[in-house]
Amino acid sequence: QQPVQSPQAVILREGEDAVINCSSSKALYSVHWYRQKHGEAPVFLMILLKGGEQKGHEKISASFNEKKQQSSLYLTASQLSYSGTYFCGTVLTTDSWGKLQFGAGTQVVVTP
Amino acid sequence: EAGVAQSPRYKIIEKRQSVAFWCNPISGHATLYWYQQILGQGPKLLIQFQNNGVVDDSQLPKDRFSAERLKGVDSTLKIQPAKLEDSAVYLCASSFVLRNNEQFFGPGTRLTVL
Repeated sequence: QQPVQSPQAVILREGEDAVINCSSSKALYSVHWYRQKHGEAPVFLMILLKGGEQKGHEKISASFNEKKQQSSLYLTASQLSYSGTYFCGTVLTTDSWGKLQFGAGTQVVVTP
Repeated sequence: EAGVAQSPRYKIIEKRQSVAFWCNPISGHATLYWYQQILGQGPKLLIQFQNNGVVDDSQLPKDRFSAERLKGVDSTLKIQPAKLEDSAVYLCASSFVLRNNEQFFGPGTRLTVL
């Protein structure tokens, strides 16, 4: 039930773009994105609901492809502050309690 | 507003000992979560409370782990006895409503079992 994230890690130069993917083998009701900096707690970025529109948070945006049960997170014109580990969390359509299953994470390093 | 509070921040114990973690969620948040995060992995939900009732504890190793939220506010997670593989960061989170709502995480408790 755990979603699969790719890539595992990405190194960017400041100003470059990146895409992180999150895939599930089961039908999803929603996808949640969090960012965790080293030694800190995860911080919420956005939620995408089934049938919802693409969301954005500063220059970070995400989409949800219901046909593929996949979500993508787009880091546009990356900044040094974007460094951290990005986790997607998924809620299945069959789960009425909103249980989040997190992926293994994608480590993002943005260099000057 | 105050965030999610957790204590202690760090704990080192020997295997087979007991340990307890405390969490105080954001005021007014009905839903409380305990997660286990092993180094290099994503958080894994252990137990989810709605007020003082358990809505999901399917991934809680009930032979050694227990949790309670007696008055629907703060919560305690206990491990008894601890094993080496319990070494992890234990994160508490809370949200205003049950489903599809932003979860606010506390700073976590880093447990090392020797």
